[in-house]
Amino acid sequence: GDSVTQMEGPVTLSEEAFLTINCTYTATGYPSLFWYVQYPGEGLQLLLKATKADDKGSNKGFEATYRKETTSFHLEKGSVQVSDSAVYFCALSDLTDSSYKLIFGSGTRLLVRP
Amino acid sequence: NAGVTQTPKFRVLKTGQSMTLLCAQDMNHEYMYWYRQDPGMGLRLIHYSVGEGTTAKGEVPDGYNVSRLKKQNFLLGLESAAPSQTSVYFCASSYVGSLGDTQYFGPGTRLTVL
Repeated sequence: GDSVTQMEGPVTLSEEAFLTINCTYTATGYPSLFWYVQYPGEGLQLLLKATKADDKGSNKGFEATYRKETTSFHLEKGSVQVSDSAVYFCALSDLTDSSYKLIFGSGTRLLVRP
Repeated sequence: NAGVTQTPKFRVLKTGQSMTLLCAQDMNHEYMYWYRQDPGMGLRLIHYSVGEGTTAKGEVPDGYNVSRLKKQNFLLGLESAAPSQTSVYFCASSYVGSLGDTQYFGPGTRLTVL
């Protein structure tokens, strides 16, 4: 079945450092790919998404490119801030049992220190 | 526009007790979902609904029941709670459940079963 694998955390960075969180996937179809973020004590919210190969999703300085050849959707940010501290989930949407469902990775916790 | 709301926010149950979690959305979304979040496992789909009056099983449906009597509400029931159901429960909704559709999440319910 479909699955998503993320790098284990926590990832600890100093403010203004470069961030990469790796995400790879396996899917039988042609999925859409998402990054969701969960701030402490809150629900998940969409950070960015890409719906076809070579698409780049971007939001709030974060970027990720849908790479079909490497089945990857790595999240990057050039300069992180303390306010980016959160748990980041990579997810894919694919057709299973006649409806589209999200399949999540296990999440990567990011801690940014001043 | 409140988005997706969940009640209650916290609950402690004893083994064998029952309870119902309520999810409400005011975005006129067709699809609604219930997930559970456990440490190191990401989010797993319990049940979902593709419209008023419909429900379907997700990845981990055992021990839970759901109902969607009104389009804006999606209820999750535990008939006889077990310690293995200790988790954080998230409700989500999406417009039509298509491939690239964004899911909107509620703030979560933290349930402890003693």
